[in-house]
Amino acid sequence: DIQMTQSPASLSASLGETVTIQCQASEDIYSGLAWYQQKPGKSPQLLIYGASSLQDGVPSRFSGSGSGTQYSLKISSMQTEDEGVYFCQQGLKYPLTFGSGTKLEIK
Amino acid sequence: QVQLKESGPGLVQPSQTLSLTCTVSGFSLTSYNVHWVRQPTGKGLEWMGVIWTGGSTDYNSALKSRLSISRDTSKSQVFLKMNSLQTEDIATYYCAREVPGKDYFDYWGQGVMVTVSS
Repeated sequence: DIQMTQSPASLSASLGETVTIQCQASEDIYSGLAWYQQKPGKSPQLLIYGASSLQDGVPSRFSGSGSGTQYSLKISSMQTEDEGVYFCQQGLKYPLTFGSGTKLEIK
Repeated sequence: QVQLKESGPGLVQPSQTLSLTCTVSGFSLTSYNVHWVRQPTGKGLEWMGVIWTGGSTDYNSALKSRLSISRDTSKSQVFLKMNSLQTEDIATYYCAREVPGKDYFDYWGQGVMVTVSS
């Protein structure tokens, strides 16, 4: 199975700050990566797919980048509604696997 | 609009079978793959299995011996059955629609919390 390692496990950011979350795959996943945001008591919401494509309706302050085994999610200007847990997911091979999550809070 | 909604008992006794239903609307099960994903409280996400548009299935090997996914296309329902439940199966169970051909999930149900206890 492909292992997905996310970092950091948690972070806090000030309003307007740029935030970056990392995700490392245990093997090359050829940009087969998605990012989700999950708020407390809610189901995950797709933000980014194909490593860098923005899902419809997602604010443009969210962006994804990376290749090979290293990927990142950037929030260019932290907003209060961005608080939540962020997960990466590889879509290259089954079983599909997720990172352990990054909890993002407002400082 | 696209909706998925899980239903089923919130409490299952140890060693018994979990039966969940995912009722979908706004799309056809013959056009979109539907997956099951679970999440222990406060923890990460685990992919469980998928039912493909043609009706065949694939499962996480960690669960394969206990898990069965089926569907009734006339009722727009997908079913999950998992036997021999233990406390490590306590989780919120989600069904999710796959972005066609992309192995990502664009719509999720609200989830159903399942507890295992006698």
